[in-house]
Amino acid sequence: TQLLEQSPQFLSIQEGENLTVYCNSSSVFSSLQWYRQEPGEGPVLLVTVVTGGEVKKLKRLTFQFGDARKDSSLHITAAQPGDTGLYLCAGEDTDKLIFGTGTRLQVFP
Amino acid sequence: DTGVSQNPRHKITKRGQNVTFRCDPISEHNRLYWYRQTLGQGPEFLTYFQNEAQLEKSRLLSDRFSAERPKGSFSTLEIQRTEQGDSAMYLCASRKLSYEQYFGPGTRLTVT
Repeated sequence: TQLLEQSPQFLSIQEGENLTVYCNSSSVFSSLQWYRQEPGEGPVLLVTVVTGGEVKKLKRLTFQFGDARKDSSLHITAAQPGDTGLYLCAGEDTDKLIFGTGTRLQVFP
Repeated sequence: DTGVSQNPRHKITKRGQNVTFRCDPISEHNRLYWYRQTLGQGPEFLTYFQNEAQLEKSRLLSDRFSAERPKGSFSTLEIQRTEQGDSAMYLCASRKLSYEQYFGPGTRLTVT
């Protein structure tokens, strides 16, 4: 069974701080997606990474896919209260997604 | 381009009752997925369709669960004889071939 573990599980920080969320697996994935989910809503796609070593930037968010395509990280610079939410990584496994355990981020003003 | 829609958004039912949820995917998305998410966890795959064909079912999908996509457009997920352990958020997603999956807002099921 493929598993994706995310760390940390919970993160509470002040506005303006930087943070990194990690997504690790023992399995290789053909691609990996990052989603953000608000309470009571479905996950919203942030980015897809496909190539080992790939780095993608989305404003203050930087996503990296490990060289071996087993792990990924999400770095947020100067976090804002609007970044609050549940961050999920998901690996593509034969046409379906395997989701990580999630990182709940709270950014206080 | 309208997104994935799901109805109802919330459903409260008594144990033993049957419930049915509907998902309308993004038009022209030929693949449709159902996931289940319990509190504090990431979504777990249940089943998916390519057009009207159900291609894969998770072992999480017990005999009480059935999903259909009769005309390759909308899909329904039925749970028979609901149990308290079925309480969860049921998420639908759609995609075009191997592109990214886009999720609907989910149906929150509470079994009392």
